[in-house]
Amino acid sequence: AQSVTQLDSQVPVFEEAPVELRCNYSSSVSVYLFWYVQYPNQGLQLLLKYLSGSTLVKGINGFEAEFNKSQTSFHLRKPSVHISDTAEYFCAVSKTNSGYALNFGKGTSLLVTP
Amino acid sequence: GAGVSQSPSNKVTEKGKDVELRCDPISGHTALYWYRQSLGQGLEFLIYFQGNSAPDKSGLPSDRFSAERTGGSVSTLTIQRTQQEDSAVYLCASSSFISGNTIYFGEGSWLTVV
Repeated sequence: AQSVTQLDSQVPVFEEAPVELRCNYSSSVSVYLFWYVQYPNQGLQLLLKYLSGSTLVKGINGFEAEFNKSQTSFHLRKPSVHISDTAEYFCAVSKTNSGYALNFGKGTSLLVTP
Repeated sequence: GAGVSQSPSNKVTEKGKDVELRCDPISGHTALYWYRQSLGQGLEFLIYFQGNSAPDKSGLPSDRFSAERTGGSVSTLTIQRTQQEDSAVYLCASSSFISGNTIYFGEGSWLTVV
């Protein structure tokens, strides 16, 4: 089975500072990797995904993530955060066969303050 | 429709009553998923439908939970004899080859058992 560990439950950061949200996965087979964001009182929105190809993936809102197979990681980064980035961020993994359900991490709460 | 639609958006029910939650996936999406999001528990996979195949029910927490998908489209998640620990946000999602297997989520149904 595939599983995800998000190493930080909460990450406080000042506005315009860089941020990294950590995600490690465990799987015996090839995987797809995803980051979703959930703004307060809203549903989940896809930030970015890694399916194949370049290991550096760029997503919406200036976020990017790098797939590192040797370290089984898929950390999310943004060079300069905004107040509006305050949200819950979920890393997820699935098998590469189509249609398999996502297994999510427990989430990282990003709190951006002035 | 344009996105995954769920109803009701909010439901308060008394302990011991049955509830039904409805999901209308994105038109043409063959895969449909139910997840549960509880405070402090992250996103928990419940059940997955793919086309006409038998559903993957491996995430259902007890036999009080069931789901069906009629005509390969709309799905209903039923919780019988609700308990207070069933209080959570129930998220529905859908995907397809057309969407690059990206899973799109609805806004969720907030269930409170009192």
